[in-house]
Amino acid sequence: QKEVEQNSGPLSVPEGAIASLNCTYSDRGSQSFFWYRQYSGKSPELIMFIYSNGDKEDGRFTAQLNKASQYVSLLIRDSQPSDSATYLCALLGSSNTGKLIFGQGTTLQVKP
Amino acid sequence: DGGITQSPKYLFRKEGQNVTLSCEQNLNHDAMYWYRQDPGQGLRLIYYSQIVNDFQKGDIAEGYSVSREKKESFPLTVTSAQKNPTAFYLCASSILGGPPTSTDTQYFGPGTRLTVL
Repeated sequence: QKEVEQNSGPLSVPEGAIASLNCTYSDRGSQSFFWYRQYSGKSPELIMFIYSNGDKEDGRFTAQLNKASQYVSLLIRDSQPSDSATYLCALLGSSNTGKLIFGQGTTLQVKP
Repeated sequence: DGGITQSPKYLFRKEGQNVTLSCEQNLNHDAMYWYRQDPGQGLRLIYYSQIVNDFQKGDIAEGYSVSREKKESFPLTVTSAQKNPTAFYLCASSILGGPPTSTDTQYFGPGTRLTVL
């Protein structure tokens, strides 16, 4: 079992819809979780981080964390074509080394 | 203007050559990281350093070497022992904190695309 699992997609949604991206993880000791967006040929840029159970909202983005079920998700409301990118889920492992463990990423396509 | 810089943006290597990728940050971050990304895949950790003059192997360190002589700089050398070095190389940095906070966040440089000729 991979430490961080994401569906590679592509996930296709129409413009204006809600895009839901999911990530599951195996290390129950993980405490911090991050969502990065990566456009083709570019480096990842941080969208959100979350470390408490529940929801965290920032503009059109909402991160959801459920430690008991070991999943973290990212919702994008009112999806725009400019949101089309690969979304990487990452977590800070329980080893306290500062190492991030990344999923393989989910490709999102927002169609006009 | 704070941030992480990587150079060169594109690099071509001949068989048997060692090449060095530069990574510099002026964010006063303690920790620095090197990742490799292959097409359609996530990031894999090569090396990381939490303090000057100390560094640790990541998951795929074979064929690579690093140094951390200054807090701001963390160069990566891709040696001839790395048999399949063609990839996108990303450098990142973060403040190392105690409890999980935003200071754990890693910020990435623009990357170096290495191609073996």
